[in-house]
Amino acid sequence: RKEVEQDPGPFNVPEGATVAFNCTYSNSASQSFFWYRQDCRKEPKLLMSVYSSGNEDGRFTAQLNRASQYISLLIRDSKLSDSATYLCVPDSTLTFGKGTMLLVSP
Amino acid sequence: EAGVTQFPSHSVIEKGQTVTLRCDPISGHDNLYWYRRVMGKEIKFLLHFVKESKQDESGMPNNRFLAERTGGTYSTLKVQPAELEDSGVYFCASSQSIDTQYFGPGTRLTVL
Repeated sequence: RKEVEQDPGPFNVPEGATVAFNCTYSNSASQSFFWYRQDCRKEPKLLMSVYSSGNEDGRFTAQLNRASQYISLLIRDSKLSDSATYLCVPDSTLTFGKGTMLLVSP
Repeated sequence: EAGVTQFPSHSVIEKGQTVTLRCDPISGHDNLYWYRRVMGKEIKFLLHFVKESKQDESGMPNNRFLAERTGGTYSTLKVQPAELEDSGVYFCASSQSIDTQYFGPGTRLTVL
């Protein structure tokens, strides 16, 4: 099993939609989790950190399910500017998934 | 506050040549990381410095890659001799503790 697995997408959604994607991880010892967003040909930028059951920041909600070993990212009221690749990183053990591409259309 | 900077932004070299990439972390960040993203693949960890010491270099692909961080400030990543499969984007990141990492803009390396 890969250390981190994500559905590569793309997820095509209209503006205003709610979209969610998951990331599964194999290392049960992981304590903290991060979602990064990466715009095309740019560096990853930290979006959210998740240390306990979940975290909410505006339109973004991250949930952690330790029993099933996955974290999810929910984006409400999608904006065109949310179009990017979202990378999941368990811990700072530095294992990135391939990312999930999100495309928000007008 | 200045972010992580990397130099050069792009490098095009021929197979067999040597290239040195540089990363300047955020001032005060003891932790410095190198990553690589090859076309179509996920971002892969290369190594992690704590100050000038290599904490983890398990991701270094082979002995053609040499990373240094003399003095615990900036870091260099040398590829010698470069091969075609070394092409990709090399990212550097820094952090104050083993926590949130801040990424540089990356160096796009093309080996012809």
